[in-house]
Formats: sequence, structure tokens, C-alpha cells
Amino acid sequence: GAVVSQHPSRVICKSGTSVKIECRSLDFQATTMFWYRQFPKQSLMLMATSNEGSKATYEQGVEKDKFLINHASLTLSTLTVTSAHPEDSSFYICSARVEGVGIQYFGAGTRLSVL
Amino acid sequence: DQQVKQNSPSLSVQEGRISILNCDYTNSMFDYFLWYKKYPAEGPTFLISISSIKDKNEDGRFTVFLNKSAKHLSLHIVPSQPGDSAVYFCAASPTGTASKLTFGTGTRLQVML
Repeated sequence: GAVVSQHPSRVICKSGTSVKIECRSLDFQATTMFWYRQFPKQSLMLMATSNEGSKATYEQGVEKDKFLINHASLTLSTLTVTSAHPEDSSFYICSARVEGVGIQYFGAGTRLSVL
Repeated sequence: DQQVKQNSPSLSVQEGRISILNCDYTNSMFDYFLWYKKYPAEGPTFLISISSIKDKNEDGRFTVFLNKSAKHLSLHIVPSQPGDSAVYFCAASPTGTASKLTFGTGTRLQVML
């Protein structure tokens, strides 16, 4: 299957700082990537759809100014958690869709801990 | 409003036996379904998918069955192996190209020796 790389795998930061998470499609181009959040023992919740060259589409209840998404190339999308607070601590996962195949391939996820 | 439901949070199966994981959905616009396997602290791994024009899709030990009238799908793993122990998520999309997935709550499968 297609490979999606996500970095970093784990980050610990102080409250009030910003954290950037990168998602790369390694062996294919992805015009569309997705960002999810997973709370312990819960399902994956879609946060936003990242579109190359245009603004991201956010799900209801997700603060766009809090979670900045940039999809500047066909292989890279970034999620920046701005002014992070302890309640932002979670597991963030990205995925990339293979065009014409209909399958999303996922990165390994990023565990964010805000102190 | 949970549009995709996996009513069994956990399942234990003996090695070599069949594992059957179930998934129900409520949105009649869903027409493409996927199963993912997930280990703790890792991203989901794609297993198998099925389009609504089919009622069965098979890939090795994995078979997915779709009953559109009942809005129900199931994943069969046979024979089950210890390495299959993980959390399994079903996901659904309203289009044939999985533009936006809605995930179920997951079923933790434990395959015992």
C-alpha cells in the first residue's frame, strides 16, 4: 500500500506554545489529506480536510484559528496547534487519499502532550 | 449522532477459529466501506474495502460482507492468528472515492493461543 509519513511521533510542550505536525505522502501525490484526532478508547474524529493549494475544510466544532492547516504541495500537509493548552493533548493522525482508488492511508500518528 | 456503530467493544477468539466483527450504519448515503486495523499509538492500517454494488469482497484471510438492506457489514478473519489482535475500525463514505470517512467506535479483537 501507499506510505504516509507523519512527524513527530511524540511531542511534549508547554502550555501556550505552538506545535507543528507534518504529514507526507512518500510514494504518491495527494491532493487531499485529512487530519483526525483520537481520544483514549474512542474513535477517530475527522477534524479537517486539507486540500492542496486551497483552504482547508474544517468539521463543525473545530476551531480553524486554533488548528492551522497548510497543504502547500502535493506531498505535504501540516497541522499547527497554536497556543496549545492541556485540553489539546491527544493523538493526532493524518491520512492521504490515493486518487481514483478511494482508500485513505494513514500516518503513524502524533501523541501531543501539553503541560 | 453515531452514524457508524460497532456494538461489540471487544471480542476474544481462539487461534485458528473464525473472527467475525460487525458494523452497522444509519446513513443510507454511504456506499463505500472500509475496514482498518489499529495497534495502540499507531495509525490505522487499511485491510479491505467494499463498494455498495457488491455484497462480498475477499482478500486472503479477510472477507467483508455487505447487507445493504440491513445496513450491516461484517469482517470475517479465518483462520485467526495471534498477530490479528488489534482494534478494528469500520469506516464508511458517501461516495465511491472515500472522500470523507466516518469511523465506527472500534472492536478490540484478541486472538488467544
